[in-house]
Amino acid sequence: GENVEQHPSTLSVQEGDSAVIKCTYSDSASNYFPWYKQELGKGPQLIIDIRSNVGEKKDQRIAVTLNKTAKHFSLHITETQPEDSAVYFCAANLDSSYKLIFGSGTRLLVRP
Amino acid sequence: EAGVAQSPRYKIIEKRQSVAFWCNPISGHATLYWYQQILGQGPKLLIQFQNNGVVDDSQLPKDRFSAERLKGVDSTLKIQPAKLEDSAVYLCASSLVFRGGGTDTQYFGPGTRLTVL
Repeated sequence: GENVEQHPSTLSVQEGDSAVIKCTYSDSASNYFPWYKQELGKGPQLIIDIRSNVGEKKDQRIAVTLNKTAKHFSLHITETQPEDSAVYFCAANLDSSYKLIFGSGTRLLVRP
Repeated sequence: EAGVAQSPRYKIIEKRQSVAFWCNPISGHATLYWYQQILGQGPKLLIQFQNNGVVDDSQLPKDRFSAERLKGVDSTLKIQPAKLEDSAVYLCASSLVFRGGGTDTQYFGPGTRLTVL
Protein backbone atom coordinates (compact mmCIF):
# COMPACT_ATOMS: atom_id res chain seq x y z
CA GLY A 1 0.00 0.00 0.00
CA GLU A 2 0.91 3.66 -0.12
CA ASN A 3 3.22 4.88 2.61
CA VAL A 4 5.23 7.81 3.91
CA GLU A 5 8.75 7.30 5.20
CA GLN A 6 10.26 9.78 7.64
CA HIS A 7 13.88 10.29 8.72
CA PRO A 8 15.54 10.58 11.12
CA SER A 9 13.58 8.97 13.94
CA THR A 10 15.45 11.06 16.50
CA LEU A 11 17.33 14.33 16.13
CA SER A 12 19.33 16.22 18.74
CA VAL A 13 20.55 19.75 18.02
CA GLN A 14 22.07 22.59 19.97
CA GLU A 15 19.89 25.61 20.60
CA GLY A 16 20.28 28.06 17.74
CA ASP A 17 21.23 25.41 15.20
CA SER A 18 19.01 24.29 12.33
CA ALA A 19 17.04 21.04 12.15
CA VAL A 20 15.97 19.22 9.00
CA ILE A 21 13.47 16.35 8.80
CA LYS A 22 12.90 14.51 5.53
CA CYS A 23 9.96 12.50 4.20
CA THR A 24 9.36 10.50 1.06
CA TYR A 25 5.98 9.39 -0.26
CA SER A 26 4.92 6.74 -2.74
CA ASP A 27 1.58 7.96 -4.13
CA SER A 28 2.23 10.12 -7.19
CA ALA A 29 -1.31 11.54 -6.85
CA SER A 30 -0.57 13.10 -3.44
CA ASN A 31 -1.01 16.87 -3.58
CA TYR A 32 -1.17 18.00 0.05
CA PHE A 33 1.67 17.70 2.58
CA PRO A 34 1.12 18.91 6.17
CA TRP A 35 3.56 18.87 9.06
CA TYR A 36 2.36 18.38 12.63
CA LYS A 37 4.07 18.96 15.97
CA GLN A 38 3.01 16.76 18.87
CA GLU A 39 4.00 17.55 22.44
CA LEU A 40 3.75 15.05 25.24
CA GLY A 41 0.15 14.35 26.19
CA LYS A 42 -1.27 16.52 23.44
CA GLY A 43 -2.77 15.99 20.03
CA PRO A 44 -0.86 16.85 16.83
CA GLN A 45 -0.84 20.53 15.96
CA LEU A 46 -0.47 21.73 12.38
CA ILE A 47 2.63 23.90 12.00
CA ILE A 48 2.88 24.28 8.23
CA ASP A 49 1.56 22.67 5.08
CA ILE A 50 2.30 22.81 1.38
CA ARG A 51 0.32 21.94 -1.72
CA SER A 52 1.78 20.51 -4.88
CA ASN A 53 1.52 23.71 -6.89
CA VAL A 54 4.39 25.31 -4.96
CA GLY A 55 7.92 24.15 -4.23
CA GLU A 56 8.59 25.99 -1.00
CA LYS A 57 6.71 27.71 1.79
CA LYS A 58 8.06 29.64 4.75
CA ASP A 59 6.58 30.85 8.02
CA GLN A 60 9.04 32.66 10.27
CA ARG A 61 11.58 30.04 11.44
CA ILE A 62 9.83 27.14 9.72
CA ALA A 63 10.02 26.23 6.03
CA VAL A 64 8.92 23.28 3.96
CA THR A 65 10.29 22.27 0.56
CA LEU A 66 8.67 19.90 -1.91
CA ASN A 67 10.24 17.98 -4.77
CA LYS A 68 7.39 16.27 -6.64
CA THR A 69 9.67 14.61 -9.15
CA ALA A 70 11.63 12.85 -6.43
CA LYS A 71 8.51 12.50 -4.21
CA HIS A 72 10.09 13.96 -1.15
CA PHE A 73 9.50 16.93 1.11
CA SER A 74 11.41 18.37 4.03
CA LEU A 75 10.83 20.47 7.13
CA HIS A 76 13.47 23.05 8.03
CA ILE A 77 13.54 24.74 11.43
CA THR A 78 16.09 27.52 11.86
CA GLU A 79 17.36 29.10 15.08
CA THR A 80 15.95 26.23 17.12
CA GLN A 81 14.72 26.88 20.65
CA PRO A 82 14.13 24.46 23.56
CA GLU A 83 10.37 24.84 23.06
CA ASP A 84 10.77 23.31 19.59
CA SER A 85 11.47 19.98 21.33
CA ALA A 86 8.62 17.62 20.39
CA VAL A 87 7.71 14.84 17.97
CA TYR A 88 7.17 16.00 14.39
CA PHE A 89 5.04 14.11 11.87
CA CYS A 90 4.89 14.56 8.14
CA ALA A 91 1.88 13.39 6.15
CA ALA A 92 0.70 13.12 2.57
CA ASN A 93 -2.82 12.77 1.27
CA LEU A 94 -3.77 9.59 -0.50
CA ASP A 95 -4.88 9.82 -4.14
CA SER A 96 -5.51 13.60 -3.96
CA SER A 97 -8.17 12.96 -1.32
CA TYR A 98 -8.88 13.88 2.29
CA LYS A 99 -7.13 10.75 3.62
CA LEU A 100 -3.78 11.48 5.27
CA ILE A 101 -0.99 8.94 5.57
CA PHE A 102 1.40 9.84 8.37
CA GLY A 103 5.10 9.19 8.72
CA SER A 104 6.42 7.45 11.81
CA GLY A 105 7.59 10.65 13.48
CA THR A 106 10.84 12.39 14.43
CA ARG A 107 11.65 13.12 18.04
CA LEU A 108 13.47 16.46 18.09
CA LEU A 109 15.48 17.46 21.13
CA VAL A 110 16.88 20.99 21.32
CA ARG A 111 19.64 21.20 23.92
CA PRO A 112 19.92 24.54 25.75
CA GLU B 1 -12.25 29.64 18.95
CA ALA B 2 -12.55 26.46 21.00
CA GLY B 3 -10.63 23.45 19.73
CA VAL B 4 -11.63 19.82 19.37
CA ALA B 5 -12.74 18.41 22.72
CA GLN B 6 -12.35 14.78 23.73
CA SER B 7 -13.21 12.78 26.83
CA PRO B 8 -12.14 10.95 28.80
CA ARG B 9 -8.44 11.80 28.61
CA TYR B 10 -7.38 8.46 30.07
CA LYS B 11 -9.04 5.08 30.38
CA ILE B 12 -7.81 1.77 31.76
CA ILE B 13 -9.87 -1.37 31.18
CA GLU B 14 -9.49 -5.13 31.26
CA LYS B 15 -9.47 -7.06 27.98
CA ARG B 16 -12.92 -8.08 26.76
CA GLN B 17 -14.49 -5.05 28.43
CA SER B 18 -16.19 -2.25 26.52
CA VAL B 19 -15.18 1.37 26.28
CA ALA B 20 -16.50 4.50 24.59
CA PHE B 21 -14.84 7.77 23.64
CA TRP B 22 -16.52 11.08 22.95
CA CYS B 23 -15.55 13.89 20.60
CA ASN B 24 -16.93 17.39 20.06
CA PRO B 25 -15.45 18.98 16.92
CA ILE B 26 -14.77 22.64 16.26
CA SER B 27 -18.03 24.50 15.76
CA GLY B 28 -19.09 24.52 12.15
CA HIS B 29 -16.73 21.76 11.04
CA ALA B 30 -18.61 19.32 8.84
CA THR B 31 -15.96 16.64 8.67
CA LEU B 32 -14.87 14.52 11.62
CA TYR B 33 -12.13 11.89 11.80
CA TRP B 34 -11.14 9.24 14.33
CA TYR B 35 -7.50 8.12 14.37
CA GLN B 36 -5.65 5.46 16.29
CA GLN B 37 -2.09 6.29 17.35
CA ILE B 38 -0.05 3.40 18.70
CA LEU B 39 2.97 4.35 20.78
CA GLY B 40 5.89 5.35 18.57
CA GLN B 41 3.82 5.56 15.39
CA GLY B 42 1.96 8.16 13.41
CA PRO B 43 -1.83 8.43 13.58
CA LYS B 44 -3.82 5.96 11.45
CA LEU B 45 -7.27 6.87 10.17
CA LEU B 46 -10.08 4.66 11.45
CA ILE B 47 -13.19 6.41 10.16
CA GLN B 48 -14.27 9.68 8.58
CA PHE B 49 -17.69 11.35 8.78
CA GLN B 50 -19.10 14.06 6.57
CA ASN B 51 -21.90 15.61 8.63
CA ASN B 52 -23.60 12.46 10.02
CA GLY B 53 -22.71 10.12 7.15
CA VAL B 54 -19.73 7.78 6.93
CA VAL B 55 -17.32 8.62 4.09
CA ASP B 56 -14.60 6.06 4.80
CA ASP B 57 -14.46 3.26 7.37
CA SER B 58 -12.19 0.93 5.43
CA GLN B 59 -9.62 0.80 8.26
CA LEU B 60 -12.13 0.31 11.09
CA PRO B 61 -12.11 -3.21 12.63
CA LYS B 62 -15.86 -3.53 12.39
CA ASP B 63 -16.06 -6.73 14.39
CA ARG B 64 -15.23 -4.77 17.53
CA PHE B 65 -15.18 -1.05 16.72
CA SER B 66 -18.18 1.12 15.98
CA ALA B 67 -18.68 4.85 15.63
CA GLU B 68 -21.55 7.21 15.17
CA ARG B 69 -22.10 10.90 14.69
CA LEU B 70 -25.67 11.73 15.50
CA LYS B 71 -26.99 15.09 14.33
CA GLY B 72 -23.72 15.77 12.53
CA VAL B 73 -21.93 17.25 15.53
CA ASP B 74 -20.63 15.10 18.42
CA SER B 75 -19.28 11.63 17.78
CA THR B 76 -18.64 8.51 19.83
CA LEU B 77 -16.22 5.69 19.13
CA LYS B 78 -16.83 2.37 20.86
CA ILE B 79 -14.74 -0.76 21.29
CA GLN B 80 -16.48 -3.97 22.31
CA PRO B 81 -14.79 -6.22 23.33
CA ALA B 82 -11.36 -4.67 23.79
CA LYS B 83 -8.13 -6.52 23.06
CA LEU B 84 -4.63 -5.90 24.37
CA GLU B 85 -3.56 -4.55 20.96
CA ASP B 86 -6.18 -1.79 21.19
CA SER B 87 -3.95 0.03 23.69
CA ALA B 88 -3.28 3.35 21.97
CA VAL B 89 -4.21 7.01 21.88
CA TYR B 90 -7.48 7.66 20.08
CA LEU B 91 -7.46 11.03 18.39
CA CYS B 92 -10.40 12.94 17.03
CA ALA B 93 -9.89 15.58 14.35
CA SER B 94 -12.19 17.88 12.42
CA SER B 95 -12.01 19.99 9.31
CA LEU B 96 -14.21 22.67 7.87
CA VAL B 97 -15.26 21.09 4.61
CA PHE B 98 -14.83 17.96 2.62
CA ARG B 99 -13.38 18.49 -0.81
CA GLY B 100 -13.39 15.53 -3.10
CA GLY B 101 -10.49 16.94 -5.08
CA GLY B 102 -8.26 17.74 -2.18
CA THR B 103 -8.13 18.01 1.56
CA ASP B 104 -8.75 20.66 4.14
CA THR B 105 -6.72 21.33 7.28
CA GLN B 106 -7.39 18.82 10.02
CA TYR B 107 -7.38 20.04 13.63
CA PHE B 108 -6.75 17.43 16.32
CA GLY B 109 -8.05 17.08 19.84
CA PRO B 110 -5.87 16.05 22.81
CA GLY B 111 -6.75 12.37 22.46
CA THR B 112 -7.84 9.61 24.82
CA ARG B 113 -5.12 7.30 26.04
CA LEU B 114 -6.51 3.77 26.34
CA THR B 115 -4.70 1.04 28.25
CA VAL B 116 -6.06 -2.50 27.96
CA LEU B 117 -4.79 -4.89 30.64
